[in-house]
Amino acid sequence: DARVTQTPRHKVTEMGQEVTMRCQPILGHNTVFWYRQTMMQGLELLAYFRNRAPLDDSGMPKDRFSAEMPDATLATLKIQPSEPRDSAVYFCASGLVREDRLSTDTQYFGPGTRLTVL
Amino acid sequence: QKEVEQDPGPLSVPEGAIVSLNCTYSNSAFQYFMWYRQYSRKGPELLMYTYSSGNKEDGRFTAQVDKSSKYISLFIRDSQPSDSATYLCAMKTGRRALTFGSGTRLQVQP
Repeated sequence: DARVTQTPRHKVTEMGQEVTMRCQPILGHNTVFWYRQTMMQGLELLAYFRNRAPLDDSGMPKDRFSAEMPDATLATLKIQPSEPRDSAVYFCASGLVREDRLSTDTQYFGPGTRLTVL
Repeated sequence: QKEVEQDPGPLSVPEGAIVSLNCTYSNSAFQYFMWYRQYSRKGPELLMYTYSSGNKEDGRFTAQVDKSSKYISLFIRDSQPSDSATYLCAMKTGRRALTFGSGTRLQVQP
């Protein structure tokens, strides 16, 4: 049963610390998304990659957030330095864009990383 | 104003009721419309997917799209306690990533 995995599931840290979240997309998927979910803002797209290349990171605060895909099986989202307002659940999702379609229709979400910044 | 508006609820109904969940949107370029279901402390999962206007039925679920009114709906017949979750609408143009609504929390009382 293929699924997206995320680590850690929970993270509590202090303001100013670096946070790294990791995602393993479903094998064979070529598109990876990072989302942030809060009660106030709902689900917000932070960045997404296709074939490991960043396509859009306009939703991400550039001064403190960075997203990378060092290889096809790993995506990372880093926050440095972290702030209390970064407290949220961060989801990774992956999907498959076929050659004859413009963009993926189905995104498979991971279980999320619940981040608390004190 | 957000591109996609969705009433956050909560919506509480008795078991067996028909549930109607709705979203409105402002971007007339949206062509693909989806509903995701999210259980507590889980990631969203795709429930229904429709392209352009019309209805689509899958078991107890019916998705409806009215592009002229920029309005989409999800109907759940014979609702069950296991349907208790947050339902998020999502939509996109051909090239863009998904834009999500904020989600409606549904509670089905046994």
